[in-house]
Amino acid sequence: AQRVTQPEKLLSVFKGAPVELKCNYSYSGSPELFWYVQYSRQRLQLLLRHISRESIKGFTADLNKGETSFHLKKPFAQEEDSAMYYCALRHDYKLSFGAGTTVTVRA
Amino acid sequence: NAGVMQNPRHLVRRRGQEARLRCSPMKGHSHVYWYRQLPEEGLKFMVYLQKENIIDESGMPKERFSAEFPKEGPSILRIQQVVRGDSAAYFCASSPGQGVGYEQYFGPGTRLTVT
Repeated sequence: AQRVTQPEKLLSVFKGAPVELKCNYSYSGSPELFWYVQYSRQRLQLLLRHISRESIKGFTADLNKGETSFHLKKPFAQEEDSAMYYCALRHDYKLSFGAGTTVTVRA
Repeated sequence: NAGVMQNPRHLVRRRGQEARLRCSPMKGHSHVYWYRQLPEEGLKFMVYLQKENIIDESGMPKERFSAEFPKEGPSILRIQQVVRGDSAAYFCASSPGQGVGYEQYFGPGTRLTVT
């Protein structure tokens, strides 16, 4: 069965500092991985997906099949990055989510 | 496009009552998914429906829970005889198709509290 683990519940960084959110997964097949973000009082929205290999709002994530990881990174955090971040894996149509990491960016 | 709509946003029920959660997918979307989020946990898949059909309900508790997506109107998640353990946030998502490349768009969720 697929499983997604986000080991950090809370992450606090200063504005301008790098931020990295960890995500590890277990899945027997070829995974399709995503990062979702939920800003305060807003709905869950897709941030990026590994198959696109793109940078969104300065965030990137690389799939490392050897380490079964899909960590999310941004070199210079901004205050507007404060939000809840969820890593997710899709199997067929089902999304399996990690428990989420709350990121707070301090001025 | 207004996005996925869910109502009510907050629902309080006493133990033993019924809870009805509604989800209107985005315009043009015929695929609906329900997820549940218990406190301190990630969202967990419950059921996948297309118009008038339940495709996969493997994540739904066998008793008291049911879902439908009629030809006309919103998708309904019904919980009968609610218990305290049903207290959670219930999210609905919709997509125009199924498979790689089709993003699921989420609604704001319904927060159910059972007293």
